[in-house]
Amino acid sequence: DSGVTQTPKHLITATGQRVTLRCSPRSGDLSVYWYQQSLDQGLQFLIQYYNGEERAKGNILERFSAQQFPDLHSELNLSSLELGDSALYFCASSSDNFSPLHFGNGTRLTVT
Amino acid sequence: AQKITQTQPGMFVQEKEAVTLDCTYDTSDPSYGLFWYKQPSSGEMIFLIYQGSYDQQNATEGRYSLNFQKARKSANLVISASQLGDSAMYFCAMRPDNTGGFKTIFGAGTRLFVKA
Repeated sequence: DSGVTQTPKHLITATGQRVTLRCSPRSGDLSVYWYQQSLDQGLQFLIQYYNGEERAKGNILERFSAQQFPDLHSELNLSSLELGDSALYFCASSSDNFSPLHFGNGTRLTVT
Repeated sequence: AQKITQTQPGMFVQEKEAVTLDCTYDTSDPSYGLFWYKQPSSGEMIFLIYQGSYDQQNATEGRYSLNFQKARKSANLVISASQLGDSAMYFCAMRPDNTGGFKTIFGAGTRLFVKA
């Protein structure tokens, strides 16, 4: 058990809808990272937050947004969903910028 | 540009034998971290081993060792005494230690099959 909690485990929704993925980092970790894993694109970095502030941004679509709250949990919001957004979304946390990432079990999103 | 290359989409190894999974990287940052992760069919990502760019010795963690050749920009994972439970996808990753962000980038992965 990595200590990173992601909910829900599975999500099935229709095109055009909006969903929210939630992540609780390991106790004491200030950094939260979001990744998207799809079959054709591998693991793609989306965004990083550190202690509530956005720290780094990757290939995150404008339809996607994220935030980290004062209690350090994070949410990834995906809107106007398309079929191509179907993927496994991972949250990861680390204790500092030089430590390995510890991943949650992921949220599998299916857009129909 | 930062890049991780894993040239072996799939590998087979006999149980109890050693196997090397290749990884090369590209970065202009002088300081960086290298990581290997395992993803079983159940989907979770499991951290295996870490090597810092300034570490003089190769990292080892149990049956895992990282063959770090800085001049060649390679960070191969060696798994000794393979077990059936080692069958999984393996990802090499790199994080440059720069002030512009600390995102970790991943290679495409190598799927390892361990044969009984």
